[in-house]
Amino acid sequence: ETGVTQSPTHLIKTRGQQVTLRCSSQSGHNTVSWYQQALGQGPQFIFQYYREEENGRGNFPPRFSGLQFPNYSSELNVNALELDDSALYLCASSVRQGRRTEAFFGQGTRLTVV
Amino acid sequence: AQSVTQLGSHVSVSEGALVLLRCNYSSSVPPYLFWYVQYPNQGLQLLLKYTSAATLVKGINGFEAEFKKSETSFHLTKPSAHMSDAAEYFCAVSDPRNTGNQFYFGTGTSLTVIP
Repeated sequence: ETGVTQSPTHLIKTRGQQVTLRCSSQSGHNTVSWYQQALGQGPQFIFQYYREEENGRGNFPPRFSGLQFPNYSSELNVNALELDDSALYLCASSVRQGRRTEAFFGQGTRLTVV
Repeated sequence: AQSVTQLGSHVSVSEGALVLLRCNYSSSVPPYLFWYVQYPNQGLQLLLKYTSAATLVKGINGFEAEFKKSETSFHLTKPSAHMSDAAEYFCAVSDPRNTGNQFYFGTGTSLTVIP
């Protein structure tokens, strides 16, 4: 139990639709990162939010966007869904405190695009 | 740019045998390195991390890893495999200049433990 909660756990969408995934970070953590894990692959960094602002982005197109709220929870939005967007989406929360680096991952949201 | 390469997408060991999972990294700066474990339909759990202190790092469940700069490696070992160790293992690297935990993961190694 990491204290990081993601919802929903599973989701099926149709190609072209839009989806919003949610993440509640661990208490006291002000940084949230999102990762996409395709089947049989390692997680790929999508982007990170720190104090409600984007703080780094991986190699993902603009149709992947996000938000972080004052309570540090976060949303990942994906527009114009494609079949290749089918994956496990992981959220990780952490706190920026000197060299402290540990992140805690949620259980993930399994997105299937049909 | 940072990346990791995990050699061997599948590793099988007998129960009680040595576990060795290989990870080599590439980084333009001295990196932070991590090993995570993932059980089916679960998120990622941190096994251990190297953050420029001791080069031999001990983690949970009897795992350890050694940072070898000359070999750009961070291999994961466990002296005696247990059935419960069967899972997917991921090596990851991050840039210490970014304290926000932006990880770059390898493609993973699936560990099977044979009774």
